[in-house]
Amino acid sequence: DAGVIQSPRHEVTEMGQEVTLRCKPISGHDYLFWYRQTMMRGLELLIYFNNNVPIDDSGMPEDRFSAKMPNASFSTLKIQPSEPRDSAVYFCASSLAVKPYEQYFGPGTRLTVT
Amino acid sequence: GDSVTQMEGPVTLSEEAFLTINCTYTATGYPSLFWYVQYPGEGLQLLLKATKADDKGSNKGFEATYRKETTSFHLEKGSVQVSDSAVYFCARTGRRALTFGSGTRLQVQP
Repeated sequence: DAGVIQSPRHEVTEMGQEVTLRCKPISGHDYLFWYRQTMMRGLELLIYFNNNVPIDDSGMPEDRFSAKMPNASFSTLKIQPSEPRDSAVYFCASSLAVKPYEQYFGPGTRLTVT
Repeated sequence: GDSVTQMEGPVTLSEEAFLTINCTYTATGYPSLFWYVQYPGEGLQLLLKATKADDKGSNKGFEATYRKETTSFHLEKGSVQVSDSAVYFCARTGRRALTFGSGTRLQVQP
């Protein structure tokens, strides 16, 4: 299996621009998680989906952030408008329903907002 | 609430030294406990797990025992290698899927 695929791997954008991060989970996995990692705040859970339905989005920082999962093989995390404080590494992870806590992480997208 | 506390790093050791990274968790519910490892430039990988009290998780020479009486899940390895240099995260299950600790960076010198 190819593992969790994220794109782009690096993104540099200017403040105010829209940013879209993409994730393809492992085929057959039922859960999909979006995390943000920074030096100051560590690893934060933003949102997670079960069978394409958002279960918990309480970690989404504010209305500028939105996430969708239109089908079992694709999810997006969008930031509009982006701000410098959004600079971080964003990880997508997926897991099976029988072992939801054994998560497989993608390589991450390093976002820099200038 | 659900939380995990790890020792601050970095932990710097010489090759073949004994490793301990401390982890404690809040005693709410009956969580499963995990150690994840993050190598430079990569995402996290599951290292080992324990689902109930007194369970010992082990993998790649690493071990951790679920201690309910001390609410601890310390990570140990008898002889570290340079290739073990990474950031190690302790995690527990809870209200919001997995709750991760802040991570402990391990640097192993030749």
